[in-house]
Amino acid sequence: GAGVSQTPSNKVTEKGKYVELRCDPISGHTALYWYRQSLGQGPEFLIYFQGTGAADDSGLPNDRFFAVRPEGSVSTLKIQRTERGDSAVYLCASSKTGSASGANVLTFGAGSRLTVL
Amino acid sequence: RKEVEQDPGPFNVPEGATVAFNCTYSNSASQSFFWYRQDCRKEPKLLMSVYSSGNEDGRFTAQLNRASQYISLLIRDSKLSDSATYLCVVNPAGGTSYGKLTFGQGTILTVHP
Repeated sequence: GAGVSQTPSNKVTEKGKYVELRCDPISGHTALYWYRQSLGQGPEFLIYFQGTGAADDSGLPNDRFFAVRPEGSVSTLKIQRTERGDSAVYLCASSKTGSASGANVLTFGAGSRLTVL
Repeated sequence: RKEVEQDPGPFNVPEGATVAFNCTYSNSASQSFFWYRQDCRKEPKLLMSVYSSGNEDGRFTAQLNRASQYISLLIRDSKLSDSATYLCVVNPAGGTSYGKLTFGQGTILTVHP
């Protein structure tokens, strides 16, 4: 598609529930990222995919967070047993290549705003 | 100490003013530096990359001082449309060839008539 698409745009859930957030990157972008942005803060790195594999998941805060990208395109971020502290905007981004020259030019989606009550 | 530190502002300036934002980063091995712009409740968008020699894009000038680990952004002749949050961004992982970026908390700019 023309841009990075994320769904849902807003999600309200109750503490303890399971949530899935979806990202559809720009067609042809092999690199995909998830970031999380809390109110008043800059985005924080969560995980990076190159193709189908998670090349760097060092930013995932704990084992309640998991992400997949089974066919190297769409990715799903999964959060189990949600907590109030998980409330944030979850941003997906993609870039053309894993090389340094293009990799840092990330195109972000509009984000999924998660509210855990 | 945060990896990337910015003055959060807010900066309130009149149209036509010149405004400067500063940023410091802690990892001396950092390789790549950027300014992103984020409008209210929107996604961040790349404004410009920052090079050691300094670079300019229209009314925007970015500077990098590696010795001091300091990055700046200068906006001349501010427009109402410049109102946004400006994020200082660093790729901290010396040699990492992908977009694992570290963002500052952002500096809020409001340009008023």
